[in-house]
Order: sequence, then C-alpha cells, then structure tokens
Amino acid sequence: QMQLQESGPGLVKPSETLSLTCTVSGGSVRTSNYYWAWIRQAPGKGLEWIGSVYYPANTYYNPSLRSRLTISVDTSKNQFSLRLNSVTAADAALYYCARPLLKMELFSPFEDWGQGILVAVSS
Amino acid sequence: EIVLTQSPGTLSLSPGERPTLSCRASQTVNSNYLAWFQQKPGQAPRLLIYGASTRATGIPDRFSGSGSGTDFTLTISRLEPEDFAVYYCQQYGKTPWTFGQGTKVERK
Repeated sequence: QMQLQESGPGLVKPSETLSLTCTVSGGSVRTSNYYWAWIRQAPGKGLEWIGSVYYPANTYYNPSLRSRLTISVDTSKNQFSLRLNSVTAADAALYYCARPLLKMELFSPFEDWGQGILVAVSS
Repeated sequence: EIVLTQSPGTLSLSPGERPTLSCRASQTVNSNYLAWFQQKPGQAPRLLIYGASTRATGIPDRFSGSGSGTDFTLTISRLEPEDFAVYYCQQYGKTPWTFGQGTKVERK
C-alpha cells in the first residue's frame, strides 16, 4: 500500500510563496498512473480540492487558485509538489496530499491521504 | 462549481441508533460520482463510500450509501462507538471537485 507524507514550512509570510512536497513510498509517481492531488482544510472548516497532477505534467487546478498555483512531479525524488504564490491569511490551512482510488482516472475519489501539514500565514 | 449542502449540521445520538446523513447537490452529479468520507479529530479523511453506494475496501457493511442525481444519503445501520466523527460528501464528477461542509455525529 502506498504511503504519502507531506513536508514543508509550517509558517509562511503574507505575499510570499508556499511550497509543499509530498513524498510517495510504496509506489512510483512516474509509473503508477495516478492523478496525484492536493487538498486543504482551513481550521474548523471543510475540505477544498486544490489541484491534481498526472505525470509528466498534466495538471488540473481549482479555478479559485489557478492564477497562483503550480503543481508538479519530481520523479528523481518520487515526489509531487505544490507552489502557491502571494499567500494571504485565507491560505492558512492543513494541507493534505492524496492518491485517488483508480489509476489513469481523473474522475476518482481519494483513497489514500497523507497525515497533513499545518501551514500558518503570518508576518 | 457544484455546491454540496449537507444536513443536518450535527446529529446527537447514542450507540445503536441509526443516523441518516443527507447531501444535496446544486446540480446533477455526473455518473453519481459521489463519495462519503469519515474524519476523526487529528486524522485525515477516510474514504467510506464511492459511486454513491459502493463501500470502499475494509469498510463495515453497517455503512451504506444511496441516492442519485442531486440527492444522496449515508446511513449507518447501527452506530458503534468508533463512528462518532465528522462525515463529508464529495462530488468528483465535474471539476472542481467539491466537498460538503460536513455533518458531525456526536454522542448524546
């Protein structure tokens, strides 16, 4: 079974760039044929899909974040990453990476999740 | 985007009871691509149901999903102590994928 682990800074200053990485173990981000995803949850709030990436670089972004967002795959480290520019307090959240249930299928629920990484936005 | 509205916001119940959770979509969910998740404090969401009614691997059969189009339901036939949690529905039939705001099932 694959395992996912988020990493990155727990604190980002307003207007700066948030960069997070999801390390995948038990499978290859390159050959597993999944639409790897990022999802976030603001404190005390619900869940928001951020975007998904399919190797090598097919991306699907939430329109609400598209102008500030880049999701990419790094096969050398078996990771996929998120970069969110110009962050504000509204971007403070618990960020999860996730793997869908079905291979090669964009339209799939999320089966495996990382434990999440809490990101605060403050100067 | 498709807005999912869950009701009620909170259910206060005792073990052994039979909760019914509702998820209503603002437009038809394509192919009934509707999932249910359970989330406990400090944990990631856990996939319970997908395709509106298919249980995910390892999910007890006391959990069942039903519905189609815009109205979906999650039922727990007999509430166990470990079932007290927040439950979310999610549609994955049309991007952006969206989640409901959650229903909290709490112990009375």
